[in-house]
Parts: sequence; C-alpha cells; structure tokens
Amino acid sequence: DTEVTQTPKHLVMGMTNKKSLKCEQHMGHRAMYWYKQKAKKPPELMFVYSYEKLSINESVPSRFSPECPNSSLLNLHLHALQPEDSALYLCASSQATGAGNTIYFGEGSWLTVV
Amino acid sequence: QKEVEQDPGPLSVPEGAIVSLNCTYSNSAFQYFMWYRQYSRKGPELLMYTYSSGNKEDGRFTAQVDKSSKYISLFIRDSQPSDSATYLCAMSSNTNAGKSTFGDGTTLTVKP
Repeated sequence: DTEVTQTPKHLVMGMTNKKSLKCEQHMGHRAMYWYKQKAKKPPELMFVYSYEKLSINESVPSRFSPECPNSSLLNLHLHALQPEDSALYLCASSQATGAGNTIYFGEGSWLTVV
Repeated sequence: QKEVEQDPGPLSVPEGAIVSLNCTYSNSAFQYFMWYRQYSRKGPELLMYTYSSGNKEDGRFTAQVDKSSKYISLFIRDSQPSDSATYLCAMSSNTNAGKSTFGDGTTLTVKP
C-alpha cells in the first residue's frame, strides 16, 4: 500500500462548486507534488512544494490553488473548474526535490467536473 | 518530436513469457531513469530506478540503460497475470526530481 494517502478517491463537482483534494504523507518527506493525469497519458506536473513553500508552479490556471499547511499535508483547492479539468489528480512526495530523489505517488483522486 | 518516445503497445503475452518494454529519448542531459507500473485507476508505483548507464536487476525485473544509444529497456521474466498494467518510463536531468519527463506508457496484458 502507498504511504501517500489521498482523499477523496472520487469527487464529482459542478462548475460553480468549491472543493478540496487532500493529501497526507508520514514518511518525513520535505517535498510534495501535485500532478494531473488524463486518460492514457502520463502524469503532468502542476505544483512542487519544498519545505512547505511553493517552489514550482507549472503555469497552472488560478482555479487550482495549492496549500501546504505543514510538512505532512498538501491540499489542492478547486474553484470554478471546467469539464476539461476532469482527470486523475495525483499527490506525490520525496525526501527532497533534488534530482535523483525517488518520488512516491498516492493512489489519486478521480475528479469529474459536470 | 517528443523528448521521450515509448513503444505504444498494447502488448499481450502468455503467462511465463519474457517481456521487453522500451523507451528512446533525445535529451542527452537525462541522468536518472525510472520505470513505473500503474494499475488501472491507481497511482504510478516506482519499479526500478537507475542512475546513468548500466543494468539493474530486482527479482524478475531488469532495467537497462544505454546512454550512448539513448535507449532504455525494462525486461520482465516469467511474466504473471498480476504484471498486467501500464508501464511508464520516466527520465530526469540534474533538476527538480518532480520534473521528470514521462513516456506515454505501454499497456501490458499477461494472459493465463
């Protein structure tokens, strides 16, 4: 079983809703990530947090808002999403952000925007 | 042209077969090479990790990296139905670990 836990596993939301995806890891990792994965495509990096600070934003629309309350938790706040935002959202963590650090993925949150 | 090209599949083999999964790449700065396994509707799971060229073996899995040819492979011996999944190659250079470049994945089915 993965040590990166994501909730909820499935989420259906309307385009005017506000919802959040949550992620937790207890491996003592100091880097956490959000990825988006569409069907039959590889994961695409969205955000990177290092030591609870946002270090990379891959030009993600502002309707996605990440938050890192502490070193174990990572949230992704969702507002005014579009149907094309429907995808698997993956949280991941690693010891640090440097190259060569192994990235551990959670099982993902399946998001459907209606 | 994509930086990482992965054999598209799908691939279907009988149980017990040797499976070869392959990726080519164009960025000579890539130093770290990974293979992930992703079961349907689950997150990717790291299978193998290799730094620079060479071979690495872990049980039934062998990863090979040939930097001179910009070619990496994952071999699965004595394949099992439980190996049925999508396999993603990923590579990164000396930058952020999260900025790996993934292949599009090869879907493998092992038939009993």
